Formats: sequence, C-alpha cells, structure tokens
Amino acid sequence: DTAVSQTPKYLVTQMGNDKSIKCEQNLGHDTMYWYKQDSKKFLKIMFSYNNKELIINETVPNRFSPKSPDKAHLNLHINSLELGDSAVYFCASSQEGQGGIETQYFGPGTRLLVL
Amino acid sequence: AQSVTQLGSHVSVSEGALVLLRCNYSSSVPPYLFWYVQYPNQGLQLLLKYTTGATLVKGINGFEAEFKKSETSFHLTKPSAHMSDAAEYFCAVTGGGGFKTIFGAGTRLFVKA
Repeated sequence: DTAVSQTPKYLVTQMGNDKSIKCEQNLGHDTMYWYKQDSKKFLKIMFSYNNKELIINETVPNRFSPKSPDKAHLNLHINSLELGDSAVYFCASSQEGQGGIETQYFGPGTRLLVL
Repeated sequence: AQSVTQLGSHVSVSEGALVLLRCNYSSSVPPYLFWYVQYPNQGLQLLLKYTTGATLVKGINGFEAEFKKSETSFHLTKPSAHMSDAAEYFCAVTGGGGFKTIFGAGTRLFVKA
C-alpha cells in the first residue's frame, strides 16, 4: 500500500538517450510535483500539477516534459539526456488542507546516472 | 518571496546528546514551516510542521521545533540523540495556497556512539 511510488528506482543510460520516469500516488491528492536533488542534496522543484493542470514550471530545460494523464499519475520524460541530468528525481504529492497548507508526501526517488 | 537558510551542512553529536538543527527563513507572507527527514536512499518524510497557533510544535521520533517570529527561526531540537536519527534534515517554508514550498539546503546529522 505504497503511497507515492516511482519507477524505475535506478536508471543508468547514455548521453543523448530519451528516458521516462513514472510516478503514481494512491492518496487521492490533487497536486503532484517533480523535484531534482543534486549530489549536494539540494532539492529544487521542477514542476507541479494540480488536477492535471500545470501550475509550477520552474526554469527547466525544455528537454524535460511532464505529463499527467490523470491526477494520480505524473510522469517525467527527458529527451537528449546530458551528463548534468544525473541526479535523484523525487515525485511528491499533496492535498491542500486548511488554509492552503500542504504536507508533501515523497516517493522513494529515481537515481538517474547519465554516462 | 521566500527563502530558507539552514546553518551548518553537517552536525555531529554523540548518542544521548542534545540535537539542535538551525533554520532561519524569510517570507513576505505569514509562513508555514516544515521539517522533513531523509534517510539514506529514501524519499523525504514529514517530521513536523507549524501552521498557526502554538509556536512549539512536536513531531515524530521525539523531535520538536519552535517558531520564533521575532528571530525568523524554526530550529529543530531533540533532547537525546539516537543512532537511528542519523539522516539528512530539510527545513522548508511556504506561504500556502499557490506559493511554492522552498526547501533549505539540508543538514546532515551524524550521531556518534
């Protein structure tokens, strides 16, 4: 009964390839996020979707394209992978509570290594 | 605009000693503050959060944090460290309703036997 799940857990690929990471949440939340955590553990938001609508789109190369087929899923597709894309990518979800304050629930992360 | 500063990228304590992890924030609106913990090779989990009301907030695993508006701080404490507390800790701030959650750079807690 995993709350937020991501696949794959590990992804090793060559520069220039295209890859996708999938995320699913079974919490019934309306909002989902993608974060990138670099080697220094710095956590930066990339995208946020609310009810399948894009609400946050940070300064991210357009090689990164999120897709939300329904509010329980938010996938991340990356074209033309570069060495600098190597990082841990976390999916998260939240439900806006009283006063609009959200606790975010994180997936286990996808460790991407670009060679 | 909002930001979070965590003082000390690494903190080392002995088992049984006090844990103090520092977090200062800036926010243009009343802040909502969070502490998350990340164990090795795992995602982040919520430890505690401050929304409104009581400024001393208790969380899981014996942790607590106090919101001090005058000092713009939200430091995390635990009276007695346990080996299992060794992890990365993130402070975060949001303005709620449409504001992004901004995470600090993280503090790695080491616990020595």
